[in-house]
Amino acid sequence: DAGVTQSPTHLIKTRGQQVTLRCSPKSGHDTVSWYQQALGQGPQFIFQYYEEEERQRGNFPDRFSGHQFPNYSSELNVNALLLGDSALYLCASSSPGQGYNEQFFGPGTRLTVL
Amino acid sequence: DAKTTQPPSMDCAEGRAANLPCNHSTISGNEYVYWYRQIHSQGPQYIIHGLKNNETNEMASLIITEDRKSSTLILPHATLRDTAVYYCIVRVGYGNKLVFGAGTILRVKS
Repeated sequence: DAGVTQSPTHLIKTRGQQVTLRCSPKSGHDTVSWYQQALGQGPQFIFQYYEEEERQRGNFPDRFSGHQFPNYSSELNVNALLLGDSALYLCASSSPGQGYNEQFFGPGTRLTVL
Repeated sequence: DAKTTQPPSMDCAEGRAANLPCNHSTISGNEYVYWYRQIHSQGPQYIIHGLKNNETNEMASLIITEDRKSSTLILPHATLRDTAVYYCIVRVGYGNKLVFGAGTILRVKS
């Protein structure tokens, strides 16, 4: 079992550009959450997807959007990038079999905005 | 979600028990206590969770006070690989977002 995988590992963009990050959940997991972790801080919840719909959203602007596909994989899109969007973006998946109690995190995508 | 308070850092000798405290004085009756850790350059890792009874698994033990206003995560025999940031989180039920604080940096020293 490969666990949660994310791509790319690292990404460099310039202000104003758009970026798409990808996540494949752990086998058997149907719920995907995205988090942003700035340097030296704890992860901050962006949103959660279940059954291809956004179910919960944190305090992030509409520039942050997502999608979940029928195979449960997910994408995070960020438009009009700002310097402050530089962070580690983490994807986490969970399953009904464990009551969604345990979230498995991927290694993250390091985004740098210049 | 209730707010948690943790010490910013702690040191522990290798092979000794590491006891990490967490205060959650505003916790509600239906909120669980979760512990995650994050080793440098990796995603957070689930450790354990509980509602009001003490819990133990292969990684750690979780002791929750009777009034549920505080808890302690115990790593019984800390190793150098346990050096990480430990997050105490409270949340309602299952499937909901995790609200991370600053956590406790645990340094295990030989």
